[in-house]
Amino acid sequence: KAGVTQTPRYLIKTRGQQVTLSCSPISGHRSVSWYQQTPGQGLQFLFEYFSETQRNKGNFPGRFSGRQFSNSRSEMNVSTLELGDSALYLCASTPDAPRNTEAFFGQGTRLTVV
Amino acid sequence: KNEVEQSPQNLTAQEGEFITINCSYSVGISALHWLQQHPGGGIVSLFMLSSGKKKHGRLIATINIQEKHSSLHITASHPRDSAVYICAAVNTGNQFYFGTGTSLTVIP
Repeated sequence: KAGVTQTPRYLIKTRGQQVTLSCSPISGHRSVSWYQQTPGQGLQFLFEYFSETQRNKGNFPGRFSGRQFSNSRSEMNVSTLELGDSALYLCASTPDAPRNTEAFFGQGTRLTVV
Repeated sequence: KNEVEQSPQNLTAQEGEFITINCSYSVGISALHWLQQHPGGGIVSLFMLSSGKKKHGRLIATINIQEKHSSLHITASHPRDSAVYICAAVNTGNQFYFGTGTSLTVIP
C-alpha cells in the first residue's frame, strides 16, 4: 500500500507570492490533516478535511486555506506569503477521525520564503 | 501555557538504558498520539492511546486519563532510537495539540 505522498518536497517562494501544496493520502483514507512545523513554534495544527469538508481549523490567518477532492487528495494554499511562513508543512491521513486511529504522515514539504 | 507539556526537552542516554519521556496535558482528550520524527522531517506514528497501555517491541506507552498524563518508555535503547519524540493530544473535535518534543540521543 503506498504511503502518504506530499508534493513538492521543497519549494522556494518570494514574499507576497502564493503557494499550493498537495497531499495524496493512503488509499481508502478519508481524513487529511495539515500541520505547520517551525523551530520556534513546533508542530501546529492547520486544518482537517473529511469527505471534502473542512471539519476543524487551527488558529491560523485566512491566508491559509485548503480543500479536499472527491478522491480524498487535499491541497493547501497560502496566499500573500510572509517570511514567517517558512516551515515544514506536513499532512497526515487516517481512515476516519484522527482521534480514532493512528495517523500516517507524509514526508512533508519544506517551504522557504525569501 | 501550552496545552501539552513534555519532559525532558533533551535526553542523552547510553545504549541499553531504559528511557522514559513524559507528557502532561490540560485539555479534555479522546486520544493521545506518540510520534517519532527523524532528521529530515519524516514523522512516524508510534502509538494511539485512549486508555491503559500499549506495547510495540521495545516501546511501551501508557496513559492515565484521570491524571492527564502519558509516558513513553524505551527499553534497551539503541542508537537508532535517536530521534525527536512528540506527544499529541486530540480532543473530541479532532483538534490536535502538540508537545514541543523530546530530542533523544542514544550513544553507543
